[in-house]
Amino acid sequence: QSALTQPPSASGSPGQSVTISCTGTSSDVGGYNSVSWYQQHPGKAPKLMIYEVSKRPSGVPDRFSGSKSDNTASLTVSGLQAEDEADYYCSSYAGSNKYVFGTGTKVTVL
Amino acid sequence: QVQLVQSGAEVKKPGASVKVSCKASGYTFTSYYMNWVRQAPGQGLEWMGIINPSGGDTSYTQKFQGRVTITRDTSTSTVYMELSSLRYEDTAVYYCALGGWDYWGQGTLVTVSS
Repeated sequence: QSALTQPPSASGSPGQSVTISCTGTSSDVGGYNSVSWYQQHPGKAPKLMIYEVSKRPSGVPDRFSGSKSDNTASLTVSGLQAEDEADYYCSSYAGSNKYVFGTGTKVTVL
Repeated sequence: QVQLVQSGAEVKKPGASVKVSCKASGYTFTSYYMNWVRQAPGQGLEWMGIINPSGGDTSYTQKFQGRVTITRDTSTSTVYMELSSLRYEDTAVYYCALGGWDYWGQGTLVTVSS
C-alpha cells in the first residue's frame, strides 16, 4: 500500500488559482469515489476540505473544489488568500477497510 | 458537539509499548468507525488502522501489522491505540479521526528516546 503521489509544492499569488494533483492506482483513487482532501496549518490537526471527490463540508469556502479522472484526483483552490497557505493532503479508500494518504503538498501564497 | 480528546504526551524507551487513548463525546459512539493516523516530525500523514466501535473489528495497514492494536471500551466511549516494540522512528504525533474524517483529536506526541 504505497502513498499517493502529490507534488511537494505549489504556489500562486493572491487571487490566483492553484491545482494540486494526487495520483494513485486503480486499487485506490481509481477504484472508489472516496477521495478526501485535508488542509493542515503548522502545529494543528488536519481539517477536512473535500470528501467523496468533490463534496465540501459545511463551512468550507466554495473556493475549494475537487475532481477526479481515472487514477488522479485534484484539488483546486481559486481566489487564493493568505490563509490558504498550508500543507494539503489527499487520502483515498483502498478497499478492505484500509485507507492511504498522499505525500503532501505545501501551498505558498506569494 | 463532537469532541475527540486524546491522552497526553508520552516518552518511551526503544522496545517499550505505548497506549494512546481517544475519548469521544457528542455522538453515538458505536455509529462511526475510528481511524488512527500518525505524523512524524516534518513528515506527512500516515494511516495506521481503523476500528468499528460497534463490533470491535479492526483493520491495519500492513506496515504496522503485528505491532499495532486498536481496541475500544464502549462503556467509556474511548478508543485505544497500542504500538509495541517502539523504535526511534515511531516518534510522531498520533491522531484519532472519526470515520468521516471530519473530526480529529488534538494529537498525542509520542517520543521514543533512550
